[in-house]
Amino acid sequence: AQTVTQSQPEMSVQEAETVTLSCTYDTSESDYYLFWYKQPPSRQMILVIRQEAYKQQNATENRFSVNFQKAAKSFSLKISDSQLGDAAMYFCAYHGGSNYKLTFGKGTLLTVNP
Amino acid sequence: DAMVIQNPRYQVTQFGKPVTLSCSQTLNHNVMYWYQQKSSQAPKLLFHYYDKDFNNEADTPDNFQSRRPNTSFCFLDIRSPGLGDAAMYLCATSRGTRRETQYFGPGTRLLVL
Repeated sequence: AQTVTQSQPEMSVQEAETVTLSCTYDTSESDYYLFWYKQPPSRQMILVIRQEAYKQQNATENRFSVNFQKAAKSFSLKISDSQLGDAAMYFCAYHGGSNYKLTFGKGTLLTVNP
Repeated sequence: DAMVIQNPRYQVTQFGKPVTLSCSQTLNHNVMYWYQQKSSQAPKLLFHYYDKDFNNEADTPDNFQSRRPNTSFCFLDIRSPGLGDAAMYLCATSRGTRRETQYFGPGTRLLVL
């Protein structure tokens, strides 16, 4: 079974600084997708970024980028120029290409300090 | 804007009193999912529908049921809520089950008294 590990239960960053959230996963599949979701307190879970395993290029969405290391099974999220609105729980998630399940990590709670 | 809508946002029920949560979507997605999320935990998949085909997770209690009368709507029925069922319930949709992103609704927070 696939597992997703987020080793940092909590992180904090100063406004305008850069922070990196870690995620590792375990799988025997070659076709899969990885996601970072953001869930602000009492608010909707929204997709931050998606990475297809077959793509070597790291995905980027504005201030959010990933460092995808397929051999190491690592998928970290970098947030540049952190803003107060980035404060949220961040979930790393794995989706195998052969089934429907989205496997989540336990989440990292990010605090942004003014 | 296309979206996933959940009603109500907050629901209070009594121990043992049946409750129904609603999800609708304007994305015209084939798949609809229900997740249970307890405080500071990751979402846990309860079941999903691919069109009219219902797929239950093996560890979902019998107390939880679902209905999907049409493409746009899906309901979560909790037949006899217990105190342990107090949680956030998230609805999500995707076009298909393979290689597709899931899009989440805002959730319904259920309180059981």
